[in-house]
Amino acid sequence: DIQMTQSPSSLSASVGDRVTITCRASQSISSYLNWYQQKPGKAPKLLIYAASSLQSGVPSRFSGSGSGTDFTLTISSLQPEDFATYYCQQSYSTPTTFGQGTRLEIK
Amino acid sequence: QVQLQESGPGLVKPSETLSLTCTVSGGSINNYYWSWIRQPPGKGLEWIGYIYYSGSTNYNPSLKSRVTISVDTSKNQFSLKLSSVTAADTAVYYCARHPGVYLGGYFDYWGQGTLVTVSS
Repeated sequence: DIQMTQSPSSLSASVGDRVTITCRASQSISSYLNWYQQKPGKAPKLLIYAASSLQSGVPSRFSGSGSGTDFTLTISSLQPEDFATYYCQQSYSTPTTFGQGTRLEIK
Repeated sequence: QVQLQESGPGLVKPSETLSLTCTVSGGSINNYYWSWIRQPPGKGLEWIGYIYYSGSTNYNPSLKSRVTISVDTSKNQFSLKLSSVTAADTAVYYCARHPGVYLGGYFDYWGQGTLVTVSS
């Protein structure tokens, strides 16, 4: 299985901050990388697919980049509703696997 | 707007079979892939397996011996059976849609999730 490692595991930031979350794959996955946001008690929500494509309806302050083994999710200016847990997911091979999550908290 | 809704028992006894159904509304089950994903309390996400509307399946090798996913296109539903459950199978179970596999292997619609507890 391809292992996905996110860093940091948790992060404290303030409204208006620029935040970057990193996801590293244990082998090259081309651009088959997706990002999700999950709030407590809710299902994950798709933000970014294919490394850099913004899902319809997702604010443009979210962006993704990377290819191969290293990927980033950037939030350009944190809003109060962005405090949540973020997961990356590789769909390069089955079984599809997720990172362990990055919890974004209010500073 | 596509909506997915999981249904099934919230409590299952050890060694028995967990059975869940996902009902798709607001769109057709045809031409898409449908997965089950679970999340133990306070932990991360684990993919269980998928089914294509035509009936072809793919399961996570870690669970393959215990998993069966089926589809009923006439009812716009697909189902999960997980046999010989233990406490380690306690989790929130989600159903989700994906347009394809590999480049299309992202989950664009999710159910709200249902907590299944394995306990005697």
